[in-house]
Amino acid sequence: KQEVTQIPAALSVPEGENLVLNCSFTDSAIYNLQWFRQDPGKGLTSLLLIQSSQREQTSGRLNASLDKSSGRSTLYIAASQPGDSATYLCAVRLRGNEKLTFGTGTRLTIIP
Amino acid sequence: DTGVSQDPRHKITKRGQNVTFRCDPISEHNRLYWYRQTLGQGPEFLTYFQNEAQLEKSRLLSDRFSAERPKGSFSTLEIQRTEQGDSAMYLCASSDRGPNYGYTFGSGTRLTVV
Repeated sequence: KQEVTQIPAALSVPEGENLVLNCSFTDSAIYNLQWFRQDPGKGLTSLLLIQSSQREQTSGRLNASLDKSSGRSTLYIAASQPGDSATYLCAVRLRGNEKLTFGTGTRLTIIP
Repeated sequence: DTGVSQDPRHKITKRGQNVTFRCDPISEHNRLYWYRQTLGQGPEFLTYFQNEAQLEKSRLLSDRFSAERPKGSFSTLEIQRTEQGDSAMYLCASSDRGPNYGYTFGSGTRLTVV
């Protein structure tokens, strides 16, 4: 059974700092990994999708990496802004499986 | 197309009542998924449709839950005889088999059973 862990559960950093969020998974036979953002009481917004054959993806100030062999992914946020405050979730899809398995998320607070 | 739409956004119901939620996926997406999210947890898979066929159901989906996707378009999720433990955010997502093959989620329906 695939298990996804996100550490830390919560993180507070001053505005302008660069930061890294971590995601680990137990089964490396993944099809892809997706990072989402969730604002309080809202749905999920897709940030980045990394296919199993890729090592990283970038979008603006966000960069996600994937190391299948070690079962890890990181989401790097550059020059953080108060608007980045949200919960960040990673989710993996196993090969031959349609469903996503989510971590419990990291609640990020950017302090102005 | 503006994305995945869910209706209603919020629903408060008394224990024992039936509720129905609707999801309209992105029009060209043939795959539709339902997830449930409780406070402080990540979403958990409930069920999945490819076109109109319901291909997988989680053990979380008890006999009181039923989902349909007539004609492979919108989907409904019905909960019968609601219980307080059903209180959660119900999320719908859709995807296709394009190069990205990622999920697009709706804004969710927040259910509160009192």
